[in-house]
Amino acid sequence: DADVTQTPRNRITKTGKRIMLECSQTKGHDRMYWYRQDPGLGLRLIYYSFDVKDINKGEISDGYSVSRQAQAKFSLSLESAIPNQTALYFCATSDNSPVTEAFFGQGTRLTVV
Amino acid sequence: GIQVEQSPPDLILQEGANSTLRCNFSDSVNNLQWFHQNPWGQLINLFYIPSGTKQNGRLSATTVATERYSLLYISSSQTTDSGVYFCAVFSGGSNYKLTFGKGTLLTVNP
Repeated sequence: DADVTQTPRNRITKTGKRIMLECSQTKGHDRMYWYRQDPGLGLRLIYYSFDVKDINKGEISDGYSVSRQAQAKFSLSLESAIPNQTALYFCATSDNSPVTEAFFGQGTRLTVV
Repeated sequence: GIQVEQSPPDLILQEGANSTLRCNFSDSVNNLQWFHQNPWGQLINLFYIPSGTKQNGRLSATTVATERYSLLYISSSQTTDSGVYFCAVFSGGSNYKLTFGKGTLLTVNP
């Protein structure tokens, strides 16, 4: 089993619908992240959480919200999906060490029509 | 925030050739990682390398933190090496987070 698991892996949704992407991890890491990948732009940080009570906005948080339900679970919501949110979404984790390594889920390919 | 620049943006090789990918960053970093994104979109950890040199088979990486760059070497390239290679850095002191470059698209032809 993967250490960082994202569900669903693929999703097509309609404009205006609410959608939730889920991430769970078995690595025991405190820090979790949501990234978005668009062609030619690399990965950009949406939200990050350093522990269950600490959530922070990244560089592109508008239109998104998150929930850290437990140390192992971090979900990303699109309250009202729009077509330009079509992208590949990644969840990642890392520990609290200053010299840490990030581990990524398999990605969720989201299409908003 | 920190800037991460990768070069070249695109690279086309014949199978068996060697290549060097570069990553420059604009500030001091806690750590640096190299990833390979395969055709299915998965990000594969290649190296985490805050400084020094590491090798794994045909791949090796060197980070010179004082000069703010890292290099990824691919020797005897194979078609399966094709994909996008990303450099990403952890920065920001105790509030560190991972910032990515825009990647290098490598195509290895048979």
